[in-house]
Parts: sequence; C-alpha cells; structure tokens
Amino acid sequence: AQTVTQSQPEMSVQEAETVTLSCTYDTSESDYYLFWYKQPPSRQMILVIRQEAYKQQNATENRFSVNFQKAAKSFSLKISDSQLGDAAMYFCAYRSGEGETSGSRLTFGEGTQLTVNP
Amino acid sequence: DTGVSQDPRHKITKRGQNVTFRCDPISEHNRLYWYRQTLGQGPEFLTYFQNEAQLEKSRLLSDRFSAERPKGSFSTLEIQRTEQGDSAMYLCASSPQSGANVLTFGAGSRLTVL
Repeated sequence: AQTVTQSQPEMSVQEAETVTLSCTYDTSESDYYLFWYKQPPSRQMILVIRQEAYKQQNATENRFSVNFQKAAKSFSLKISDSQLGDAAMYFCAYRSGEGETSGSRLTFGEGTQLTVNP
Repeated sequence: DTGVSQDPRHKITKRGQNVTFRCDPISEHNRLYWYRQTLGQGPEFLTYFQNEAQLEKSRLLSDRFSAERPKGSFSTLEIQRTEQGDSAMYLCASSPQSGANVLTFGAGSRLTVL
C-alpha cells in the first residue's frame, strides 16, 4: 500500500518570504499523480498544485512550485512571496494512475500547519 | 454550478442514534468520494462511486456505515448506531473520469457524537 509522510507538523514563515514544505511517499508503481491541497480554517480543501509522475518538469502555479524527485520519492512544495492568506493546513496526496478502482482514491499525508507572520 | 455541496454542515447526536449526510457533487462529475477526517489528521478514504456503482469501500467502512448514490447524482452516507469514535468531519468530493481526475471537495459535514 502507498504511504505519504509529511515530517513537519508545523511551519512558519514571514510574510513575503519563501517556505518549503516537505513530503515523501512510498510506492512500487511507476504511474501516479501527486497533489498538494490546502485546507484553510473554513475546512474546504482546495487544490494547490499537481504533478504527473511521468513528467520530468516540475509543476508551477504562480507563487507555488514543486520539487519532484522521483528516484528519492520526494515531493516538496515551495511557496514564494508568502501572503497572510496562505496560512492553512497543507496536505500532500498520492493517487495511483493504474486502474479504475485503485486508481481513484487519494492517500493523504498527516498535514503541515503553515503560519504566516506579518 | 456552485461546487460540491454537503448537508448538514454540523450534526450533533447522541450515541446510538442514526445520522445521514447528503452530498451533491458537481453536475458534470461522474465520480464521487467520501472521506473521513479527524482533528489534526489527513482525510482517510471511505468509499467511491462511479455513477451509481460503488466501486471501492475502505475497511474503515464498518457494517454500521452505508453509502448510496441511487441515480448517479447525489449521494448519502448513513451511520447507524453512532459511537463516540464516529465523531469526525465527513468530506465529500467529486471528480470527472478523465485525465488526472482532480478531486473537488465540499466543505464537509461535522459529526459530534455525545
């Protein structure tokens, strides 16, 4: 079974600075997707960024980018120019790319609580 | 379409009572998922539907839990004979079938069992 580990329960960053959240995963599959979701205090999960394992290029979405190291099974999220609205719980998630059943569920990490200090 | 809707947002019940949650997915999405999230933890997968067919169920879904999606649109999650350990946030998500089928989550239904 796949597992996702986020080793940083809490992180903090100064407004306008850069922060990196860590995520490692364990899988024997070659085809999969990785995601970062954000969960603000209102509790609705919002997709931040996704990465297809077959793509070597790291995904970017405005101030958010990832460092995907497939061999190391590492998938970190970098937030540049941090804003107060970035404060939230961040979850790393894995989805298999194989099959209609096992390929559908997301496996989440434990989450990292990000605080942005003004 | 306003996204994934869940109702009620918060339910307080006494141990032993039955509760039912409803989820209305994004209309174009044929896949629907239920997750459970306890405080300070990541969501845990419960079950998944493609149209009206329930294709996968987690071992977390005990006999007291049942989910339906009778017409392939909205879904219900029922918990019978609730226990204090059932207290959690129940998240619904939907996705299209194609591509990375990115999940869109609802705001969740919080269950408190006294």
